[in-house]
Amino acid sequence: DIQMTQSPPSLSASLGDKVTITCQASQNINKYIAWYQQKPGKAPRLLIRYTSTLESGTPSRFSGSGSGRDYSFSISNVESEDIASYYCLQYVNLYTFGAGTKLELK
Amino acid sequence: QVKLQQSGAELVKPGASVKLSCKTSGYTFSTSYMSWFKQIPGQSIEWIGMIYAGDGGTGYNQKFKGKATLTVDTSSSTAYMDLSSLTTEDSAVYFCARHPFAYWGQGTLVTVSS
Repeated sequence: DIQMTQSPPSLSASLGDKVTITCQASQNINKYIAWYQQKPGKAPRLLIRYTSTLESGTPSRFSGSGSGRDYSFSISNVESEDIASYYCLQYVNLYTFGAGTKLELK
Repeated sequence: QVKLQQSGAELVKPGASVKLSCKTSGYTFSTSYMSWFKQIPGQSIEWIGMIYAGDGGTGYNQKFKGKATLTVDTSSSTAYMDLSSLTTEDSAVYFCARHPFAYWGQGTLVTVSS
């Protein structure tokens, strides 16, 4: 099974900041990583697939990059509506989520 | 538009079983894949398994084999998940999601308690 190590577990940011979350896979996942946003009581929302492809409706302040085992997800100019938890998901071999990152306002 | 409507919250006793539903609309259900996920509040998300509506073929996370059984009813475009021999560790929110996971149900809270 592929494990996804996501960090940090939590982030504190001010409005307008840039934040970055990382996920490291236990093996090469060939860019088959997606990033999700989840707000309390809601289903996850797909933001980015295949490392860096933004889903329709995802604001351009969200971005993703990486290759091999190491991937990152960034939000530039954090807005209040971005306060949520974020998860990475590998889908090269079955499906494994990272542990999540909770983004809070400083 | 694509919609996945899950059944309501369940309160069940330990040892019992429960069947959750995920009624879909807005796309061709019979040629699609559906997965189910488990999320304990405050924790991450686990993939339980998937089913192809075309032939009912399934694949499961080893952890949930024997716990979850996935089925579909193509006549009503509905996916189902049976959870058996429930324990308190099965208390969670369960989501259905159409592959490739851009569309999700709203989740069903299952509480296992005597």
